[in-house]
Amino acid sequence: DQQVKQNSPSLSVQEGRISILNCDYTNSMFDYFLWYKKYPAEGPTFLISISSIKDKNEDGRFTVFLNKSAKHLSLHIVPSQPGDSAVYFCAAILTSGSRLTFGEGTQLTVNP
Amino acid sequence: DSGVTQTPKHLITATGQRVTLRCSPRSGDLSVYWYQQSLDQGLQFLIQYYNGEERAKGNILERFSAQQFPDLHSELNLSSLELGDSALYFCASSVGPGGRAEETQYFGPGTRLLVL
Repeated sequence: DQQVKQNSPSLSVQEGRISILNCDYTNSMFDYFLWYKKYPAEGPTFLISISSIKDKNEDGRFTVFLNKSAKHLSLHIVPSQPGDSAVYFCAAILTSGSRLTFGEGTQLTVNP
Repeated sequence: DSGVTQTPKHLITATGQRVTLRCSPRSGDLSVYWYQQSLDQGLQFLIQYYNGEERAKGNILERFSAQQFPDLHSELNLSSLELGDSALYFCASSVGPGGRAEETQYFGPGTRLLVL
C-alpha cells in the first residue's frame, strides 16, 4: 500500500525555467510533509518542509504547496539550475509519529 | 555533509552470512533511524532508537536487529542474508524522539550491501 506516490519518475527542464515536482498521498493522518534531494552515492538531503496547517512554505528558490483537500503537494524550483539535477523524494509523517514515509522519487534533470 | 557517518560504505557478502552496519549520529542528536532502499521497495523505514531505547518499529525482518549504545552510535545487524537483502541502508538522526514536526531527520551517506 503506497501511501505516498510520486507519479512522475523523471522530469527534464531547461536551466532558468521552473521545475514542478508533484506528490500525492492517501493517508489523511499525515500532518507534516518534507522534500529531500538525493545525489548519486549520497544520502537524502533535507530541502524544505510544510506543516498541514499551512498551504505554502518558501525558502529561497524552493516553494512547497500543500492542497489538503486534494491530498496533493508540489515542489516548485525557480529558477532551475543544473546543480538541482538529482532525485527528489517526497516524504510524510503521521500525527505524533516519527517515521518518514517516502514516495518513489522523481529524477529531475536541468539542462544547461 | 550532514554530520551523520556510516561505515562501511560498501559491503559484499554471501548468502547465509551475517553483517553489521554502523552509524554515528550528528553531535547532539539522540534519535537514530534506519531505512532500507531497495530497487523494488523504495525507501522503507526499519526501526528507530531514541537515547538507547527502541522507539518505533517498521518493516524490519526478524533476521534483522539493531541497537543503540550509550555513546549513541547504532548498529544494524543483518543475519542469514538472502539475495533480496541487497540494498542501500541509510541511517538518519534527529534531535529528539520524533512526534514533532520540527525534528528534521538528517541522513548519512548509506551503506551499499550486495549479497551474492
